[in-house]
Amino acid sequence: GNSVTQMEGPVTLSEEAFLTINCTYTATGYPSLFWYVQYPGEGLQLLLKATKADDKGSNKGFEATYRKETTSFHLEKGSVQVSDSAVYFCALSQNTGNQFYFGTGTSLTVIP
Amino acid sequence: DGGITQSPKYLFRKEGQNVTLSCEQNLNHDAMYWYRQDPGQGLRLIYYSQIVNDFQKGDIAEGYSVSREKKESFPLTVTSAQKNPTAFYLCASSISSGRIDTQYFGPGTRLTVL
Repeated sequence: GNSVTQMEGPVTLSEEAFLTINCTYTATGYPSLFWYVQYPGEGLQLLLKATKADDKGSNKGFEATYRKETTSFHLEKGSVQVSDSAVYFCALSQNTGNQFYFGTGTSLTVIP
Repeated sequence: DGGITQSPKYLFRKEGQNVTLSCEQNLNHDAMYWYRQDPGQGLRLIYYSQIVNDFQKGDIAEGYSVSREKKESFPLTVTSAQKNPTAFYLCASSISSGRIDTQYFGPGTRLTVL
């Protein structure tokens, strides 16, 4: 079956620290992988995506590389800001019905 | 501006009452989805619709119903049969469900049962 496992939070970092949020997946075939971000009280916003192995998605200083050999899609940012405080969701999608499978979310708090 | 709107933002209902959550999109997307979000559990799929007048159950459809009479609209009814309806409900859409495509989310409705 399809599933996503991401590191549990909450994660608390100081401003300008390096961020890694781990995400691994189980899937049949060749899924696309996504990171979404959710700010308090809001819906999810697409942060970045990758559609095939070795692709790197990037946006707003965040990056993630689709690693088929390790079935991973870890999210990284070199220098976090207070405004990055949010919940981050890793997700995968397969062709059939475009159904998404989400991880449980990782809460990030960045302190000044 | 194109996007997805959900209303109301906050909804309160008494036990035993049905309640309908609105979801509208003007993105001309074919596919629409309803998710439920509970703390620490991520998102779980309730129902999805690939085209007008057609919809499929997701992982937790019991106690919920939907309709898709128009392409732009996909309302969700939380019935009295849903045992624990207090949650944050998110609607999403994508261009098509026939291929992998980004899902775009609305701002959500927080339902509280009193």
